[in-house]
Amino acid sequence: SAVISQKPSRDICQRGTSLTIQCQVDSQVTMMFWYRQQPGQSLTLIATANQGSEATYESGFVIDKFPISRPNLTFSTLTVSNMSPEDSSIYLCSVALNEQFFGPGTRLTVL
Amino acid sequence: KQEVTQIPAALSVPEGENLVLNCSFTDSAIYNLQWFRQDPGKGLTSLLLIQSSQREQTSGRLNASLDKSSGRSTLYIAASQPGDSATYLCAVRQAGNQFYFGTGTSLTVIP
Repeated sequence: SAVISQKPSRDICQRGTSLTIQCQVDSQVTMMFWYRQQPGQSLTLIATANQGSEATYESGFVIDKFPISRPNLTFSTLTVSNMSPEDSSIYLCSVALNEQFFGPGTRLTVL
Repeated sequence: KQEVTQIPAALSVPEGENLVLNCSFTDSAIYNLQWFRQDPGKGLTSLLLIQSSQREQTSGRLNASLDKSSGRSTLYIAASQPGDSATYLCAVRQAGNQFYFGTGTSLTVIP
């Protein structure tokens, strides 16, 4: 199994600012996944982060808006840049061993 | 592209009832299927994982079944309790670390 922590757990931000979310895993993993869950919706994959290479972004998500770092096999960050109210969501990081494990999420509200 | 659907979208039952949540998927070429629980504003907690070669998995009051050929899975909850109130999500995993999530069933157990 894997235990995942995320920081911050929640934040309220002003339009036009940026927020960096941290994700820490208790074991070394090759891939880490970042998801967004908008209010009342299911999960949407933002990108897959591999250590030592550029993240792979899904359609509709770009690096300028959601830059990702993956400095080692247990840690990743997701930055939400130049935020607007439409970015208000829960952001989740996850890892997939045989099964998928999720962090507790970061609840972001943009005013 | 894989599509995962969960019916019903919402369900309200009195405490003590047994209930069934449904998950259907369009492409039977899956690696596994996982059921999650999500409390409001929180991350996802893994409940049960069924490999593609398995028919069912049990954990306590929970039983999940898988019929790959018909593209269906069910989550059976026995003797429901108010603490079971949450949103339940199913997700299928396909080759290449592709994950597809259902839209979720919001369960309310009334004391």
